Amino acid sequence: AQRVTQPEKLLSVFKGAPVELKCNYSYSGSPELFWYVQYSRQRLQLLLRHISRESIKGFTADLNKGETSFHLKKPFAQEEDSAMYYCALTTGTASKLTFGTGTRLQVTL
Amino acid sequence: ETGVTQSPTHLIKTRGQQVTLRCSSQSGHNTVSWYQQALGQGPQFIFQYYREEENGRGNFPPRFSGLQFPNYSSELNVNALELDDSALYLCASSWGTSVYEQYFGPGTRLTVT
Repeated sequence: AQRVTQPEKLLSVFKGAPVELKCNYSYSGSPELFWYVQYSRQRLQLLLRHISRESIKGFTADLNKGETSFHLKKPFAQEEDSAMYYCALTTGTASKLTFGTGTRLQVTL
Repeated sequence: ETGVTQSPTHLIKTRGQQVTLRCSSQSGHNTVSWYQQALGQGPQFIFQYYREEENGRGNFPPRFSGLQFPNYSSELNVNALELDDSALYLCASSWGTSVYEQYFGPGTRLTVT
């Protein structure tokens, strides 16, 4: 069975500081990984997916199969980045997402 | 184009009762997935409905059941409510069964007392 682990419940950084939200997964096959974000009073929305290899709102994430990780990074945090971030996995043929427990990012001045 | 909507926004039920939650999919979408999000946890997959048939189910007991209607809206029914069923219930709609283009609704918060 697949599992997603986000070790930090809360990550607090200063504006302009680098951000790294950690995500580790366990799955024996080739997973597809996603980051979802939920801003205050808004619904859960897709931030980025590893297959697209894109940068969204300055965030990037690289899939490291050797370390089974998919950490989310941004070089300079902004106040508007404050939100709840969830890492999620699908096995490709499956129709479901397996989510981690989430990390709350708090960007302070 | 309208987004995913869910009703009611929140409700309170007593242990042992039954509840029905509703989800209207985004225009043009034919698939609805349901997730349960307990406090402090990530969403957990309950099941998915595609063209009115169940297409995949998570680790939930049979008292969690669903329906999808010809207009692709969906219901989640929970019988014999337990205290642990208290959670935010999310639905997500998509075109086809892939998770790549799932759009989530705002959720229904269920409290079981």
